[in-house]
Amino acid sequence: SAVISQKPSRDICQRGTSLTIQCQVDSQVTMMFWYRQQPGQSLTLIATANQGSEATYESGFVIDKFPISRPNLTFSTLTVSNMSPEDSSIYLCSVEEGPTDEQFFGPGTRLTVL
Amino acid sequence: GENVEQHPSTLSVQEGDSAVIKCTYSDSASNYFPWYKQELGKRPQLIIDIRSNVGEKKDQRIAVTLNKTAKHFSLHITETQPEDSAVYFCAASYGNTGKLIFGQGTTLQVKP
Repeated sequence: SAVISQKPSRDICQRGTSLTIQCQVDSQVTMMFWYRQQPGQSLTLIATANQGSEATYESGFVIDKFPISRPNLTFSTLTVSNMSPEDSSIYLCSVEEGPTDEQFFGPGTRLTVL
Repeated sequence: GENVEQHPSTLSVQEGDSAVIKCTYSDSASNYFPWYKQELGKRPQLIIDIRSNVGEKKDQRIAVTLNKTAKHFSLHITETQPEDSAVYFCAASYGNTGKLIFGQGTTLQVKP
């Protein structure tokens, strides 16, 4: 499967600031997704990162809060804007690949907002 | 909206016993059902998946069954080992979009 990396692996931020998380894949993939995993919880899809066009957001998530870029088929960024302690979570990117379109996850970014 | 219900939330078994985790989904158009294992501090890892055109799939000690009529699917782990201890998540696709809806997770503890 593709090698997926995320930067940063973790960060501690002050409320009101923004953090941009990067997701890099070592091969071209069509579908990339961003998920949030709150402490001790399941995974919730934030949005589908579309190459060359605006991301598609799920209910409860908006572009102003979580702007996403996807400039090419190997890279995407998720920004968490105007952060509050409720944004403390693990943020994971995932890619769909292979002949059967299986979905694989990056290592995640652990965000703590003070 | 669409959702996936997963049970039980915690499961404790003795080493060597079997473990079964069950999920129910609501979207009749879902056609892909993966299972992920997440160890503490690690990313979710795909361990097995099944598509709507088959009823059962096996990979060594792990099997998944699917009942499309009842909208149920289950994970079966036989001959459990302590290294099977982790949180397991089921998921179902939003139709055939590739997007996944996850269940709430099951914390499996295998006691030596």
